[in-house]
Amino acid sequence: EAEVAQSPRYKITEKSQAVAFWCDPISGHATLYWYRQILGQGPELLVQFQDESVVDDSQLPKDRFSAERLKGVDSTLKIQPAELGDSAMYLCASSKDRGQETQYFGPGTRLLVL
Amino acid sequence: EDQVTQSPEALRLQEGESSSLNCSYTVSGLRGLFWYRQDPGKGPEFLFTLYSAGEEKEKERLKATLTKKESFLHITAPKPEDSATYLCVIFYGGATNKLIFGTGTLLAVQP
Repeated sequence: EAEVAQSPRYKITEKSQAVAFWCDPISGHATLYWYRQILGQGPELLVQFQDESVVDDSQLPKDRFSAERLKGVDSTLKIQPAELGDSAMYLCASSKDRGQETQYFGPGTRLLVL
Repeated sequence: EDQVTQSPEALRLQEGESSSLNCSYTVSGLRGLFWYRQDPGKGPEFLFTLYSAGEEKEKERLKATLTKKESFLHITAPKPEDSATYLCVIFYGGATNKLIFGTGTLLAVQP
């Protein structure tokens, strides 16, 4: 069964350092999402891609966060510089298209900023 | 205001003790409601999609139902391996599709 892949699974960094997370969606899925999930809360959407285009990044802290999906397949989420409050689980999800919103999630990257 | 509320926040059951989780919503133009299961430290795992009031879906010990204002996830004779957080997600909107995640119900099933 196809799955969403994410790496790394865990990342520990010091504040002010740069971190990057990678996501490979299910093959053929046009829509890709990045979420941040704080312990005990539901996921919060950071950015949504349709193919290589950003369709929603209204909740992305653009002063420090950036995301790209250059070829419309895999995607990278970057934080620079990382802050203590960025410690969270970062989830990637994909769906076939925007009109079919059943999303399939990857295992997540747990980030700890010291 | 568009909102999704899950209750209870946490639920402890004995193995075999059936119960229900609730997801109530106030949105315009509901297009779908999703249930996910999330284990600690892992990404959410898709369970069900419901599209219209009266619809029901079943999978093993789980049964999801939908009305115009809420959805229930019924758990029949739960086992310890059913312990997880169950997330409700609303998909709604017209020209601009929107998603709202509930905060989840943490279920613990004791042997």
